[in-house]
Amino acid sequence: AAGVIQSPRHLIKEKRETATLKCYPIPRHDTVYWYQQGPGQDPQFLISFYEKMQSDKGSIPDRFSAQQFSDYHSELNMSSLELGDSALYFCASSRKFGSQETQYFGPGTRLLVL
Amino acid sequence: AQKVTQAQTEISVVEKEDVTLDCVYETRDTTYYLFWYKQPPSGELVFLIRRNSFDEQNEISGRYSWNFQKSTSSFNFTITASQVVDSAVYFCALKTGNQFYFGTGTSLTVIP
Repeated sequence: AAGVIQSPRHLIKEKRETATLKCYPIPRHDTVYWYQQGPGQDPQFLISFYEKMQSDKGSIPDRFSAQQFSDYHSELNMSSLELGDSALYFCASSRKFGSQETQYFGPGTRLLVL
Repeated sequence: AQKVTQAQTEISVVEKEDVTLDCVYETRDTTYYLFWYKQPPSGELVFLIRRNSFDEQNEISGRYSWNFQKSTSSFNFTITASQVVDSAVYFCALKTGNQFYFGTGTSLTVIP
């Protein structure tokens, strides 16, 4: 079965550079979530999209932006990178069935900012 | 204030033992969602369950079961007959409004 695809899997950037992370949800899933997990930390919710519209916004820095495209893939754009942005970035997708929802996570993108 | 507390930082059990992971949450909202996630040593996140605040029915899925009690603001997770593959960090999370609040995780080690 198709899973959530994230690219790239690993990314190394320098301070003040920009980065774009991509997420391809499971086909027919209508919701995408982005999470950030620093080393040894619990995940932090960044932002989510439902049917290509932003649905929830968490602790996403102003330097970051995200969108969901017509094909439902999503991109997280990160500018003016800081050392503290080094983390594992997870994308998850889901499809709501009434009150039920199961999130499926991608393998994550590991970003290292030098 | 919203908060999720996982008081157990690390737990070790011997294979085939039962283990319960505690999760206590705080919120004044009447509508909220509770989640459990698993993060094995390989690093990926695995969604286990989502429960809304109006559904206190306990749930069982194979060796996993969840006990949701609004009276004590708890959403505990029990693994029956634990296996080595259950070794992972388990996160409990609360969603209210548009925000997620994660606990700090419980690291479970199942010893063969």
